[in-house]
Order: sequence, then C-alpha cells, then structure tokens
Amino acid sequence: GAVVSQHPSWVICKSGTSVKIECRSLDFQATTMFWYRQFPKQSLMLMATSNEGSKATYEQGVEKDKFLINHASLTLSTLTVTSAHPEDSSFYICSAIWEGWYGYTFGSGTRLTVV
Amino acid sequence: DQQVKQNSPSLSVQEGRISILNCDYTNSMFDYFLWYKKYPAEGPTFLISISSIKDKNEDGRFTVFLNKSAKHLSLHIVPSQPGDSAVYFCAASGAGGKLIFGQGTELSVKP
Repeated sequence: GAVVSQHPSWVICKSGTSVKIECRSLDFQATTMFWYRQFPKQSLMLMATSNEGSKATYEQGVEKDKFLINHASLTLSTLTVTSAHPEDSSFYICSAIWEGWYGYTFGSGTRLTVV
Repeated sequence: DQQVKQNSPSLSVQEGRISILNCDYTNSMFDYFLWYKKYPAEGPTFLISISSIKDKNEDGRFTVFLNKSAKHLSLHIVPSQPGDSAVYFCAASGAGGKLIFGQGTELSVKP
C-alpha cells in the first residue's frame, strides 16, 4: 500500500515551454504532498507543500509563479514548470504523507531536461 | 542555512564490515528522523526512522542511534553488503510534516 505514482519519469523540453509533472496517490488519500528538486550530487531540496483544496506553501527562494502547484483532489497534485529554462533542468520528486503523521512515501521522480 | 548536515560525502567499506553514516542537525524542534537510500534517477526508499523520544531503533541489519544532546544521529549497517551501495540521506521532520534532507553520503561496499 501507500504507492505514489509520478509521471512522466523523464521529459525533454525546449526553453520557454511549460512542463507539467503529475503525482498521484494510488491507494490512499493524500491531503498533503510535498515537492522536492534535486540537482546532481546534491540534497533533495523542499520546494513547496501542497495541500488539497488550498494554495501551496512555497519555501523561501522558490518562485511560485514559475513553479505552479495544483492539488485539486485528494489523489492528485501537479507541478507545472512554466517558461522553462536550462537552469530548471533537475530531478523533481513528490512525496505524500500517509497513515497519520510520520509515514512518507515518495514518487519515482521526474528528470527534466530543458534544451 | 543547512539544518541537516551529512559531512561525509562518501564512505567506502569492505563487505561484511560495519558501515556508519553520520548526520547532524541544528533545529531542536525536529522530532522525527528518517534514513533513506537512493539510487540515481529514482525516488528515495525508506530504510528506518526514529522518534525523538527514543535513542535507538533497530531493524534487521540497520540500526539508527539518536543523541539529542549532541543533535546527532547515525545509521549503522552490519554486516554491509555490496547491494547496500547507494546514496544515503538522513532527513528530519518537525512542524508541518516537512522533511528536511541532508546532503547525502555515497556508500560503496566493496566485495
């Protein structure tokens, strides 16, 4: 149980275009999801906290107009990278809390390459 | 401000020996700590966790120790196996359920 499906697993896009990444909880309801990004050989950095039915909470330094997060249902959160640039190329991972407070499950990640 | 730190970027251990991965944190409000194993281009895989009310938690070959006064935790893997080779992240959780990750330690277990 507690599976999070993240899609796509990898995407290449041109500069200036937008890319949407989906994160679905398959067998549980996720009222809270988190979005992380990871640059090569670096830590997973929390970008934002996504709460179902409300606006996402962004970490300091993360541009909310560039990284649009929508959590319209209890099983789906999306991250849209708008007007992507090569410096946005990174590995993006979502996670969700399940069974109370301390169970975290992660998606398999999305490798974004902007050319 | 790096609230969770793993100061060793890499560790090499012989198969069968003990691997000790260390992690330090600065925020005394953290009350739950987790260790994850990660391969490139994959999401993290949960290994073991510990609540701040405990100082040790054991699960098979994995043991996590927590020293609250020193704000330090460590993951012991014994015996180490070649399949344990991966990047290990420690993470801490506090208010709001957010996980803050360390920088990771790349473990290499040599046969």
